[in-house]
Amino acid sequence: KAGVTQTPRYLIKTRGQQVTLSCSPISGHRSVSWYQQTPGQGLQFLFEYFSETQRNKGNFPGRFSGRQFSNSRSEMNVSTLELGDSALYLCASSRYLAGTEAFFGQGTRLTVV
Amino acid sequence: GQQLNQSPQSMFIQEGEDVSMNCTSSSIFNTWLWYKQDPGEGPVLLIALYKAGELTSNGRLTAQFGITRKDSFLNISASIPSDVGIYFCAGLDSSNTGKLIFGQGTTLQVKP
Repeated sequence: KAGVTQTPRYLIKTRGQQVTLSCSPISGHRSVSWYQQTPGQGLQFLFEYFSETQRNKGNFPGRFSGRQFSNSRSEMNVSTLELGDSALYLCASSRYLAGTEAFFGQGTRLTVV
Repeated sequence: GQQLNQSPQSMFIQEGEDVSMNCTSSSIFNTWLWYKQDPGEGPVLLIALYKAGELTSNGRLTAQFGITRKDSFLNISASIPSDVGIYFCAGLDSSNTGKLIFGQGTTLQVKP
C-alpha cells in the first residue's frame, strides 16, 4: 500500500515568487492536513481539507492557501514568498476527519533565496 | 492556544538503556500520537492512543494516555543505535478536527 507522496522533494525559489506543492494521500484516506516545520517554531498546523472542503486553518497569513481535489489529492500554494517561508512542508493523510492516525509524507524542503 | 510541553528536550544514552519521555498540556486531548522523525524525512507514526488510561506497546516502545487526558509518556526499552532521531508527541485537539498539536520534540542520541 503506497504511503503519502509529496512532490517535489526539494525546491529553491526567489523572494516574491509563488510556489505550489502537491500531496497524494494514502488510498482511501479523505483528510489531508498540511504542516510547516522550522527549527525555531517546530511543527505548525497550516490547514486541513476533507472532501474538498477546508475544515480547519492555522494562524498563517493569507499568502498560504490550499485546495483538495475530488480524488483527495491536495495542493498548497504560497504566494509572494518571503525568506521566512523556508521550511519543510509536510502533508499528512487520515482516513477520516478526526480521531484517527495521521500519516506523513517525506515533505517538501522549500528554500527561499 | 493549546500547547504541548515535551521533555526532555534531548537525551544522550548508552545502547541498551531504557528511555522515557513525556508530554503535558493544560488542555484535554482526545487522542495522543507519538512520532519519530529522521533528518530530512517526515515523521513516522509509532503509537496511537485513544482512551484515557490506555497503555499500548509496539515492540520495544510503550506509550500511555494519561488518566486526566492532559499527558502522555513514551518509553523505549533496551535502546539500539537505530533509535536515534527526534521523537514528537502530538495531541488531537478536543474540538474533533484533524488538527494535531505537536510537542517540541525530544532528540535522542544512542552511544553504541
